[in-house]
Amino acid sequence: NAGVMQNPRHLVRRRGQEARLRCSPMKGHSHVYWYRQLPEEGLKFMVYLQKENIIDESGMPKERFSAEFPKEGPSILRIQQVVRGDSAAYFCASSRSQGAGQETQYFGPGTRLLVL
Amino acid sequence: EDKVVQSPLSLVVHEGDTVTLNCSYEVTNFRSLLWYKQEKKAPTFLFMLTSSGIEKKSGRLSSILDKKELFSILNITATQTGDSAIYLCAVAGANSKLTFGKGITLSVRP
Repeated sequence: NAGVMQNPRHLVRRRGQEARLRCSPMKGHSHVYWYRQLPEEGLKFMVYLQKENIIDESGMPKERFSAEFPKEGPSILRIQQVVRGDSAAYFCASSRSQGAGQETQYFGPGTRLLVL
Repeated sequence: EDKVVQSPLSLVVHEGDTVTLNCSYEVTNFRSLLWYKQEKKAPTFLFMLTSSGIEKKSGRLSSILDKKELFSILNITATQTGDSAIYLCAVAGANSKLTFGKGITLSVRP
């Protein structure tokens, strides 16, 4: 059973370019969460999605960041016009549901974004 | 705002030692507390705790939650060099979004 998959694992962008990060949840999981880890800081929640719905985006910066989880295909975290401060590790997690005992979030290997 | 504080921030022990890692939290709409181990890549799930006073065990690792005092501990007995990692504590609140502590860096020396 494949775990959470993320790609690319490493991404280098120049300031002003766009970054697209992809996440495929574990088989049977329909809930996806994105977290960002800045150097020397803990993981910070960004957004929670179910298929075709954004449930909670309270951790997303108001500008340049967007996320989607379409009916078919992976979840995408998109960062437009990247700046150096966007350099971080972006982790995706998935869970089966929010029901008792099924809400454990399993993490992917992360995408390390470096903005030059 | 939900908050998780882990202590100590870092710890160096020798193989065979027992360690206790601490996690205290403040959260509205508490659902569960989770421990993860992070090496170079993905945080790996260790435990999910929802009830006070019930110890969860997996091999040399165990964890317990105190919902009255709002803390949890993770114990590792007979430590091995492979236990060297960052140990993350997280609390699930509303919408199950996780609030993480900064992590505890454990180094186990041979």
